[in-house]
Amino acid sequence: EPEVTQTPSHQVTQMGQEVILRCVPISNHLYFYWYRQILGQKVEFLVSFYNNEISEKSEIFDDQFSVERPDGSNFTLKIRSTKLEDSAMYFCASRADGQGAKTQYFGPGTRLLVL
Amino acid sequence: GENVEQHPSTLSVQEGDSAVIKCTYSDSASNYFPWYKQELGKRPQLIIDIRSNVGEKKDQRIAVTLNKTAKHFSLHITETQPEDSAVYFCAKLAGGSQGNLIFGKGTKLSVKP
Repeated sequence: EPEVTQTPSHQVTQMGQEVILRCVPISNHLYFYWYRQILGQKVEFLVSFYNNEISEKSEIFDDQFSVERPDGSNFTLKIRSTKLEDSAMYFCASRADGQGAKTQYFGPGTRLLVL
Repeated sequence: GENVEQHPSTLSVQEGDSAVIKCTYSDSASNYFPWYKQELGKRPQLIIDIRSNVGEKKDQRIAVTLNKTAKHFSLHITETQPEDSAVYFCAKLAGGSQGNLIFGKGTKLSVKP
């Protein structure tokens, strides 16, 4: 069964540094998402991406964040200048196109630690 | 903004007993309500979902009920087993969105053998 994959699994960075988190969505999916989960808390929506552009973003997704689909398979989340409070698990998710296709499949996550 | 309230935050049951987790929401435009199971350090995995045109859906030991009038939905696990121990998140589709999910705060279920 196809799965969403993410790299790296863990990332440790210094405050102020840039990080890029990578995701490979399921191959025939057209909607892509980033969520984050601070340790012990709920999963929070960051951004959705469709047809090569951002379709929606949350208040968390400020100017420090950006997303890109650099090629036909990868979907990346960049944090330009990391802050301590960016430490969290970041999940990528994808879903198929179509009115009935509502299921989102999550990747294994990248645990980001900002020191 | 839209919100999903989930209760209880922790739930401990004996193996074989039933477990019920409840969620309420505020926005009436939602039409899709998934439940995710998350084991420690792992990804959320969809276990069951329900759409607004039905009131109940069952898959083996798991069932979900939806009351759109009262704006609440519940997860029922029967004959619980130790491997059911995990954090369970309810979620709903944000109204008018491209599929953004709004999650509850989670319920940590512990099933004691």
